[in-house]
Order: sequence, then structure tokens, then C-alpha cells
Amino acid sequence: GDSVTQMEGPVTLSEEAFLTINCTYTATGYPSLFWYVQYPGEGLQLLLKATKADDKGSNKGFEATYRKETTSFHLEKGSVQVSDSAVYFCALSPEKLVFGKGTKLTVNP
Amino acid sequence: NAGVTQTPKFQVLKTGQSMTLQCAQDMNHEYMSWYRQDPGMGLRLIHYSVGAGITDQGEVPNGYNVSRSTTEDFPLRLLSAAPSQTSVYFCASSQTGEGGYTFGSGTRLTVV
Repeated sequence: GDSVTQMEGPVTLSEEAFLTINCTYTATGYPSLFWYVQYPGEGLQLLLKATKADDKGSNKGFEATYRKETTSFHLEKGSVQVSDSAVYFCALSPEKLVFGKGTKLTVNP
Repeated sequence: NAGVTQTPKFQVLKTGQSMTLQCAQDMNHEYMSWYRQDPGMGLRLIHYSVGAGITDQGEVPNGYNVSRSTTEDFPLRLLSAAPSQTSVYFCASSQTGEGGYTFGSGTRLTVV
């Protein structure tokens, strides 16, 4: 079945550091790919998405590119802030969302 | 728009009790899903629906029932609560699935 594998956390960075969270997937067909973010004590929010190969999703300085050849959708941000501290989930769909296990990011001042 | 509304936000049950977690959306979304979130396990799909009258099992359906009699509502029923069902439950909805899902704020359930 469909599955998502993302890098294990936790990840701890200093403010203004570069962030990469790796995500690879296994799926039949051509799924849509997503990154969701969960801030402490809250539900999940859609951060960005890509619906076909070579699409780049972006939002709030975060980016990820749908790479069919490597079945990857790595999340990147050039300069993280303390407010980016959260758990990040990679996921695929369309009919039902399949999640990776999440990566906890802590950004220190 | 209220989005996806889950009730209650918190619940404590005794082992063997039954209850229904409510989920309602006002976006006319066809797709709805229930997930549970446990530490270190990410989010696991319990049941999902692609439209009124249509439901299917996800990864961890045992001990849970769902029905989808209207587009707006997708309740999750715990038949006989067990401590292993202690978790945070999230409901989500989407128009097509491809555009992403909108999540409710969650129900924190404790079974003692």
C-alpha cells in the first residue's frame, strides 16, 4: 500500500539556520503530496502542497518540490525562526491521507 | 465558515462505556476521515468516507464504527471503550482529496 517515510527527529536548529526535512513516498499512480504543520496543542494545518511531478509548493518561506524520479518531497526553509517550532508531517493522497510519522522541529534563539 | 467542528474537546470514559465523537463540516466537502494520533506513531487512519452513504476502513478500524448519512456529518462511535483507545482524535474533510484536507481541532479521549 501507499506509505510515507520522513526523517526521524527531533531536529534542533538555531534561529536563521537552513532547514531540510526529508520525505520519500511509495504510491501507486500519481498522488498529491502535502506538508502539514502542528503547533503545540493545536490541530494540523496545511503548510503546502503539490499535485503533480515537478510542481513546487511554497508558503511562509517553506518550499518543497514533487520529484517523481526520486519519489521525494523534501521540505526546506532558508532561515528558520523560533515561531517555526512545531511538528511537521509529510503526507500523500488523494482519496485518503497517508502520513509520515512526523518530525519535531525546535528552533532556539 | 466554521470549517470542521469536533465535539467534545475532552472526554474521560470508563472501560466498556460507549460514546460518539461528533464531526461536522460546513464546506460541502465530499471526503471525510477520522485519525488517531499517538506519541511516536504519527496519525493513523481509522475510517474514511468519499461521500454520503459510503464509508471504508482505514489502518486501525477495530473498535470503531462510522456512518455517513449526510454530507455534513461523520460521527465516530466507540463501541466498548478500552484503555488502548486513549488518544487524540482528529476529523478532516476535503472536497476532492487532491487539494488537501482541513482538520478539526481534535478530541482528547482518555479511557480509564
